[in-house]
Amino acid sequence: AQTVTQSQPEMSVQEAETVTLSCTYDTSESDYYLFWYKQPPSRQMILVIRQEAYKQQNATENRFSVNFQKAAKSFSLKISDSQLGDAAMYFCAYRVDSNYQLIWGAGTKLIIKP
Amino acid sequence: ETGVTQTPRHLVMGMTNKKSLKCEQHLGHNAMYWYKQSAKKPLELMFVYNFKEQTENNSVPSRFSPECPNSSHLFLHLHTLQPEDSALYLCASSHVGLAGTGELFFGEGSRLTVL
Repeated sequence: AQTVTQSQPEMSVQEAETVTLSCTYDTSESDYYLFWYKQPPSRQMILVIRQEAYKQQNATENRFSVNFQKAAKSFSLKISDSQLGDAAMYFCAYRVDSNYQLIWGAGTKLIIKP
Repeated sequence: ETGVTQTPRHLVMGMTNKKSLKCEQHLGHNAMYWYKQSAKKPLELMFVYNFKEQTENNSVPSRFSPECPNSSHLFLHLHTLQPEDSALYLCASSHVGLAGTGELFFGEGSRLTVL
């Protein structure tokens, strides 16, 4: 079965420091997409970063980057220079190329300490 | 308006009521989704519509009835709900196909409380 596991229900970090959120997944597919979504307290979920499994290079978006380890089926999110606006629930998700359906992790609540 | 809009934002209903949630997307996408979000649980996909045709129905109870009259509008009709149906209901849209990345764009959600 395809599953996504986020082992950290909650994380906290001091403002301006770096934090890493972990995500592992289980699949027998070779072509797929991985996503990190952010859901701030206002609740609208937005895409933070996307990684295609066939790409070896880790995706980056400004202060957000991923560490994609395909063999280990690991997809962690690193947030550098944390800001108060980064406080949110972060969800890791997986999608097989041919399928509409995303498989979601349970989320990690990120707290930013001023 | 832009993006994905959901109404109402909050809804309280009794177990015998009938109500509807509405979702509208202004992004020109061809697929729309209903998700259920409960605390500390992964998002649960309820329904998927692609080009107005329902392509997924993940064993959702019949007390939830979706309607997709066109590619921009999606409804979730609710009747005879149970207290355990209380949750945040999220609508999303995406562009699927060769030119699409499959990225989901979400609305802000409708917080449903069943008394």
